[in-house]
Amino acid sequence: EAQVTQNPRYLITVTGKKLTVTCSQNMNHEYMSWYRQDPGLGLRQIYYSMNVEVTDKGDVPEGYKVSRKEKRNFPLILESPSPNQTSLYFCASTGSPNEKLFFGSGTQLSVL
Amino acid sequence: DQQVKQNSPSLSVQEGRISILNCDYTNSMFDYFLWYKKYPAEGPTFLISISSIKDKNEDGRFTVFLNKSAKHLSLHIVPSQPGDSAVYFCAATYSGAGSYQLTFGKGTKLSVIP
Repeated sequence: EAQVTQNPRYLITVTGKKLTVTCSQNMNHEYMSWYRQDPGLGLRQIYYSMNVEVTDKGDVPEGYKVSRKEKRNFPLILESPSPNQTSLYFCASTGSPNEKLFFGSGTQLSVL
Repeated sequence: DQQVKQNSPSLSVQEGRISILNCDYTNSMFDYFLWYKKYPAEGPTFLISISSIKDKNEDGRFTVFLNKSAKHLSLHIVPSQPGDSAVYFCAATYSGAGSYQLTFGKGTKLSVIP
């Protein structure tokens, strides 16, 4: 089954404690991206990757890092989380600009 | 500056009636528009799209209308069903960028009342 898998689904942490949210896709997609969804703000892009070792900033990259060492994986790293990063995070992938974006099920992050 | 606007945060409709969700955009470069649907505890899923060379696209109960001069699009659901209750996101992009560069609206929460 074609899917984008994120882990964990829920995460509660404290300010300053480094964390990683994993994302993996099994569709051999070159393009992957991370979004955050906040009430009243919709979906905003954090980072994206066009291929292995190729990443770039989206609209709200501050406080986040990503890496793309393998085609299937695109982890999101928060090296020093802060409460304003409490949000619902989605990973997405697609095979080309003309194909639809597939989303993962989301990771609800709470930073205390 | 918000380039894709969904001005109605929520909408309630009786089962069997028409649901109309609206979306406005400001960037004239946008020429491809999509609607995504999101249920609680799930990621958004693609619903329907329209290119700027068309003014209407239908897929079963779902129809999207595009008015380029007004920079406005709308999603019509006829007839509405309780299973349509979800958050609907309007998204826009431009030729060449496609899914690589989607700009999303804030979403409209649709509730279909049985």
